Amino acid sequence: QSVLTQPPSVSAAPGQKVTISCSGSSSNIGNNYVSWYQQFPGTAPKLLMYEDNKRPSGIPDRFSGSKSGTSATLGITGLQTGDEADYYCGTWDSRLRLTVFGGGTQLTVL
Amino acid sequence: EVQLLESGGGLVQPGGSLRLSCAASGFVFGGYVMNWVRQAPGKGLEWVSGVNESGHNTSYADSVKGRFSISSDKANSTLFLQMNSLRADDTAIYYCARGRIAGVTLYFDPWGQGTLVTVSS
Repeated sequence: QSVLTQPPSVSAAPGQKVTISCSGSSSNIGNNYVSWYQQFPGTAPKLLMYEDNKRPSGIPDRFSGSKSGTSATLGITGLQTGDEADYYCGTWDSRLRLTVFGGGTQLTVL
Repeated sequence: EVQLLESGGGLVQPGGSLRLSCAASGFVFGGYVMNWVRQAPGKGLEWVSGVNESGHNTSYADSVKGRFSISSDKANSTLFLQMNSLRADDTAIYYCARGRIAGVTLYFDPWGQGTLVTVSS
């Protein structure tokens, strides 16, 4: 049972937009920055978003991040088949005093 | 280019020990919080342990506290994870990850390719 809650899977057609939610509490998302990671099968995770909504260099602006209260959202527009991957949110939990991750969301581009 | 390269994984019996290494290159190793994050087969990510820039302050997930020990060799830009009293539920890919600080939060960039640890008799 992960501290942060993500939907197990989402899907959308190529060219469409999808959002992936990450729900937490005031001890984690509500008061700390959220980061997002993309993981293709058999490979290591890669940083996709940090400090809620900042993209590392090389990440296209089709990817966006937002946060409201105790929930964060990753948005992907102009979906491509190459976006099919698992996506994880992460943040610091001030009560547990450690970094926590969501359970991950598998994105399918149909 | 920033790179992290893990080694030392393998098959070990329950109760056994293993030492993982992570060779870092392309950045000033002593300027970052370094971490181990694991992923059990078919499961999500779990932060395991971290060591601060000086190498003197360490932290652990409750699931490994008292059994795992993290350390770093700044002279050789290498991170270690000594794993003792291994259990079946320690079976996972172990990733080395450089931590970047934002407020009190850590985000991880980059990650190594991972090393597989299998605990089984």
